Amino acid sequence: AQSVAQPEDQVNVAEGNPLTVKCTYSVSGNPYLFWYVQYPNRGLQFLLKYITGDNLVKGSYGFEAEFNKSQTSFHLKKPSALVSDSALYFCAVRHLGYNQGGKLIFGQGTELSVKP
Amino acid sequence: DTAVSQTPKYLVTQMGNDKSIKCEQNLGHDTMYWYKQDSKKFLKIMFSYNNKELIINETVPNRFSPKSPDKAHLNLHINSLELGDSAVYFCASSQGLGAPDTQYFGPGTRLTVL
Repeated sequence: AQSVAQPEDQVNVAEGNPLTVKCTYSVSGNPYLFWYVQYPNRGLQFLLKYITGDNLVKGSYGFEAEFNKSQTSFHLKKPSALVSDSALYFCAVRHLGYNQGGKLIFGQGTELSVKP
Repeated sequence: DTAVSQTPKYLVTQMGNDKSIKCEQNLGHDTMYWYKQDSKKFLKIMFSYNNKELIINETVPNRFSPKSPDKAHLNLHINSLELGDSAVYFCASSQGLGAPDTQYFGPGTRLTVL
């Protein structure tokens, strides 16, 4: 079965410090991995995705993610956190099973809090 | 220009009522989805449609009936609403069913059943 885990419910970071939001996955076959961000009372916004190729993926708002096949991880990173980065972050994997309708399987979400 | 839009944004109703949520995308995508986000923020697929055809129904009660009048619209009708239906419902769309295709989400509809 395909699954995604975000081991931390909450991550606290001081503004200006680097941030990491962790994600591990379990898939059969090649993984197609995504990160989304949800600001309070807003929809999900796409940040970045890993399809193939370079293990370091760059996305929106200065975020990047590192794909590590041996550790089955896809951690989200940013070199210098902003207070405005405070939000709920979701990692997701695309289900590749036949007749699965292209669904995304989401992790449980990680609340990122950046303090001034 | 909103890519994926939903109406209404908020919906408060009584148990037993019937309600609909509308979704429209102007991205020219072939595939649309409904996801449910529960009170613990957990997101789960409900339906996906491709070219107006139902592809998956993820064990959703038959009180939920999606309808896709054309590729740009996917509406969700819910009969006999129950307390447990209270959630945020997100519509999304993607170019197609291909694995690399990014899904773009609407702003969500917060449904509260009293």
